[in-house]
Amino acid sequence: AQTVTQSQPEMSVQEAETVTLSCTYDTSENNYYLFWYKQPPSRQMILVIRQEAYKQQNATENRFSVNFQKAAKSFSLKISDSQLGDTAMYFCAFLPGGSQGNLIFGKGTKLSVKP
Amino acid sequence: ETGVTQTPRHLVMGMTNKKSLKCEQHLGHNAMYWYKQSAKKPLELMFVYSLEERVENNSVPSRFSPECPNSSHLFLHLHTLQPEDSALYLCASSQETRLAGNTIYFGEGSWLTVV
Repeated sequence: AQTVTQSQPEMSVQEAETVTLSCTYDTSENNYYLFWYKQPPSRQMILVIRQEAYKQQNATENRFSVNFQKAAKSFSLKISDSQLGDTAMYFCAFLPGGSQGNLIFGKGTKLSVKP
Repeated sequence: ETGVTQTPRHLVMGMTNKKSLKCEQHLGHNAMYWYKQSAKKPLELMFVYSLEERVENNSVPSRFSPECPNSSHLFLHLHTLQPEDSALYLCASSQETRLAGNTIYFGEGSWLTVV
């Protein structure tokens, strides 16, 4: 069975600093996709960044970047220049290749950005 | 403004009531989903509709009944629910389920409390 593990239930960071959220996953597949979603207090699940497993280059999206280590099955999220609006739950998610929308989510990391 | 809107945002219902959750997507997508987010479990996929046909039902109890009248609208009909069904129900959409890796976009969720 495929699983996603986020080992940090809660983290905090000072405004303008950098923070890294960890995610590991378990799969026997070679073709899959990885996502980080952000869920602020409004509860909407917002896509932060995505990574295709066949791409070696790490995805970046403005202040957000990932460190994708396929052999280690690791997919961490780095947030640079943290802002107060980054305070939210962050979920790592795995989508098997060819899957019909069956995103597999981790339990989430609650990130607090402090002024 | 989100491309996926859900109503109502909050719902309290008794165990003998019948109610419905509604979802509408304005993104031109042709696949829609219902996910359940409860306090102690990771986000779980409940139903998938692609081109208005149900393609997946993850062993969801029959007291939850989905309906997809067209590619823009999705309903979740609720009847004789149990208190353990209290959760956040998230609707989502994507362009096409059969193309692996298409990003899934979520609504803001409907908070359901069963009393």
